[in-house]
Amino acid sequence: DTAVSQTPKYLVTQMGNDKSIKCEQNLGHDTMYWYKQDSKKFLKIMFSYNNKELIINETVPNRFSPKSPDKAHLNLHINSLELGDSAVYFCASSQDRVRETQYFGPGTRLLVL
Amino acid sequence: QQPVQSPQAVILREGEDAVINCSSSKALYSVHWYRQKHGEAPVFLMILLKGGEQKGHEKISASFNEKKQQSSLYLTASQLSYSGTYFCGTRINAGNNRKLIWGLGTSLAVNP
Repeated sequence: DTAVSQTPKYLVTQMGNDKSIKCEQNLGHDTMYWYKQDSKKFLKIMFSYNNKELIINETVPNRFSPKSPDKAHLNLHINSLELGDSAVYFCASSQDRVRETQYFGPGTRLLVL
Repeated sequence: QQPVQSPQAVILREGEDAVINCSSSKALYSVHWYRQKHGEAPVFLMILLKGGEQKGHEKISASFNEKKQQSSLYLTASQLSYSGTYFCGTRINAGNNRKLIWGLGTSLAVNP
């Protein structure tokens, strides 16, 4: 009965590789997000989709490309990984247009060597 | 635009009280409080909408002063389980852009 799930939980890879992270929510929410949390714990919004439409696209390198095949799924593909991409990536979802409580997935810990 | 949280860190003994502040340079529509334990995801605590409401959840409560553009989180009679990093997230309007602007967090450690 997991609300927001992400795979994989851990990802260790070499510089220059391409990798994907998947996110799924079973809460029936319309909006999903990708966040990057660096070693200093700063939560940086990267992207947000509402009903498969991109509504937030922060200043993120073009190497990062989100894809939302349906409103329950939001994937993140990263090309040509760099050392600075090492971080924890959180997926989140929300529904209520007024209160906007965000429910976070467990995170994907990415380490680029 | 990023809200400023203070203090950056606080250490308490079990049973002590703490206040965490979140201040914005812009007028706010809502303030959201989350707690993140080490190695885990942020977890929602409460939301305060403009109107100066005060909310509570057991021994954790919060206030929102719209005029001062700030919110405060009150932790009373702290428990070991309160340890973690507390984040405030702010929204400046109720539009379709659902972006929360997050503070840098306040690290709270509660010791026995």
